Amino acid sequence: DGGITQSPKYLFRKEGQNVTLSCEQNLNHDAMYWYRQDPGQGLRLIYYSQIVNDFQKGDIAEGYSVSREKKESFPLTVTSAQKNPTAFYLCASSVKPGQGYEQYFGPGTRLTVT
Amino acid sequence: SQQGEEDPQALSIQEGENATMNCSYKTSINNLQWYRQNSGRGLVHLILIRSNEREKHSGRLRVTLDTSKKSSSLLITASRAADTASYFCATAGDTGRRALTFGSGTRLQVQP
Repeated sequence: DGGITQSPKYLFRKEGQNVTLSCEQNLNHDAMYWYRQDPGQGLRLIYYSQIVNDFQKGDIAEGYSVSREKKESFPLTVTSAQKNPTAFYLCASSVKPGQGYEQYFGPGTRLTVT
Repeated sequence: SQQGEEDPQALSIQEGENATMNCSYKTSINNLQWYRQNSGRGLVHLILIRSNEREKHSGRLRVTLDTSKKSSSLLITASRAADTASYFCATAGDTGRRALTFGSGTRLQVQP
């Protein structure tokens, strides 16, 4: 059963704590992406990775960090420096980097920081 | 930055009616894609239209692209209650960043 998995579905943290969101894909895709979605809004790009050991900042990278040590995994860490971390986080992948390819999305992680 | 802007922001129709959503964008594109999102879920790719194409069909979906007006429309014919979702356009620029830029979405409600 191929696809993208994100865990956990819901995550609660106290302010000031770092938290890592998991994203795994078994589609053998080269490119992976992290987006943030706020209520009633579109997706904003946090980071993306075109290949293992490479990643690029998106539009709202401040307060976030990523790693891409394995092709199938692209974890996102929300640090205490992120001013307003409560949001819905979506991970996606595409067979190759670049805009000519459709993106496959995971089910998302809803993070609540209090 | 969000390049695509969908219009209307929300749309409510009866089952069986057609639904039309529009997307406008600012810069040159390589292609434009439409995605669907059920509430609280991930996005699902619907259709991709390249900059040299004017119209594309997939089942009950029809997408048009007018690069001179920098706009696209998504038509869902004979809508069903199961079509209730948010619909997003995403643009792929023809230079520079190798990632899509998503619009703010149209929330479609199909009343049974």
